[in-house]
Amino acid sequence: AQSVTQLDSHVSVSEGTPVLLRCNYSSSYSPSLFWYVQHPNKGLQLLLKYTSAATLVKGINGFEAEFKKSETSFHLTKPSAHMSDAAEYFCVVSEWNQGGKLIFGQGTELSVKP
Amino acid sequence: DGGITQSPKYLFRKEGQNVTLSCEQNLNHDAMYWYRQDPGQGLRLIYYSQIVNDFQKGDIAEGYSVSREKKESFPLTVTSAQKNPTAFYLCASLGGGAGETQYFGPGTRLLVL
Repeated sequence: AQSVTQLDSHVSVSEGTPVLLRCNYSSSYSPSLFWYVQHPNKGLQLLLKYTSAATLVKGINGFEAEFKKSETSFHLTKPSAHMSDAAEYFCVVSEWNQGGKLIFGQGTELSVKP
Repeated sequence: DGGITQSPKYLFRKEGQNVTLSCEQNLNHDAMYWYRQDPGQGLRLIYYSQIVNDFQKGDIAEGYSVSREKKESFPLTVTSAQKNPTAFYLCASLGGGAGETQYFGPGTRLLVL
């Protein structure tokens, strides 16, 4: 069975410093992995996705993630945090052999201090 | 403008009442999904539909019902059997060709009076 673990429920950084949001997954198949961002009372927006192409995936707003099969990790990074990055971030793995169902991590809340 | 719309943004339910949440997409996507989000938790799948006139239960289908009479529309009814309906409800559709992606609507917050 597939599962996702986000290692931190809350991360706080200062504006202009790097961001690291950690995600580990388990999957019996070659997975597709996603990071979504959710601002308060809003829907989810796709940041980036990995689908067995390049292991370093670049997304929107300066975010990127690296797929490391040996570590079963898909951590999200950004070199320099902006105040507008404050939001909830979800790491997600897909079950494409079961109707496109997604398995969500519990989420990491990112706070950005001035 | 292509996208997914959900209405209403806020919905209030009285005890014993059924309420219906709307989800419409003009992305020409075949598959659509309903999720429930509770504070501090990830999303949990309620129902999904891969094609018109067909749908399957997700992980927490009890107390909910859906229909898929049109490709564009996937309404969710929260029935009186759902004893704890207060949550944020998100609708999504699946598309994008190779490496398909789920696209989400803005959500509906359901509150019980």
